[in-house]
Amino acid sequence: EAAVTQSPRNKVTVTGGNVTLSCRQTNSHNYMYWYRQDTGHGLRLIHYSYGAGNLQIGDVPDGYKATRTTQEDFFLLLELASPSQTSLYFCASSDSAETLYFGSGTRLTVL
Amino acid sequence: GEQVEQLPSILRVQEGSSASINCTYENSASNYFPWYKQEPGENPKLIIDIRSNMERKQTQGLIVLLDKKAKRFSLHITDTQPGDSAMYFCAASRSSGSWQLIFGSGTQLTVMP
Repeated sequence: EAAVTQSPRNKVTVTGGNVTLSCRQTNSHNYMYWYRQDTGHGLRLIHYSYGAGNLQIGDVPDGYKATRTTQEDFFLLLELASPSQTSLYFCASSDSAETLYFGSGTRLTVL
Repeated sequence: GEQVEQLPSILRVQEGSSASINCTYENSASNYFPWYKQEPGENPKLIIDIRSNMERKQTQGLIVLLDKKAKRFSLHITDTQPGDSAMYFCAASRSSGSWQLIFGSGTQLTVMP
């Protein structure tokens, strides 16, 4: 099964803080995604990428930046964190439009 | 933006009975409809999917139905077991050939012994 590793697993920061969430996939998948999961909203797409150096905007991009430095690595950046960004974040990868392989998630709390 | 509506949000069934989850989508160009299962504390995992050239698909106690005219698809779990207790998400491709998925809001299924 495809391996997608996220770090950290848990993160607590304060309002206005700077946070970077990391994701690495080791399956040479072209597509990588960042989702946030919130009760009542399901999984919402923040940013995605179809290759190193490529970045596309998802459905809820406000307050987030992302960068795909290599085929394997995709980062999500919160430069001025707000309490509304408290959420469970999942990174995912796929080699097509189809099966997504999710990481284990990062639980972010913004105080 | 496009949405996928998923109902019910909470579902409780007796062990051995069937459970059904329904989703509707907006874009008639959507052609791929996966279902993901998320167990407590775990990540979502694909359990079954269906494409727009099919109306029904079955695997290991799971049945997916697709009604393209009504823009509706559903998951049916037969002979439910406690291990089926989880959060279930439906999703639809944003458009034909798109590699974005739009997820429903999820159904928390509890199978009671």
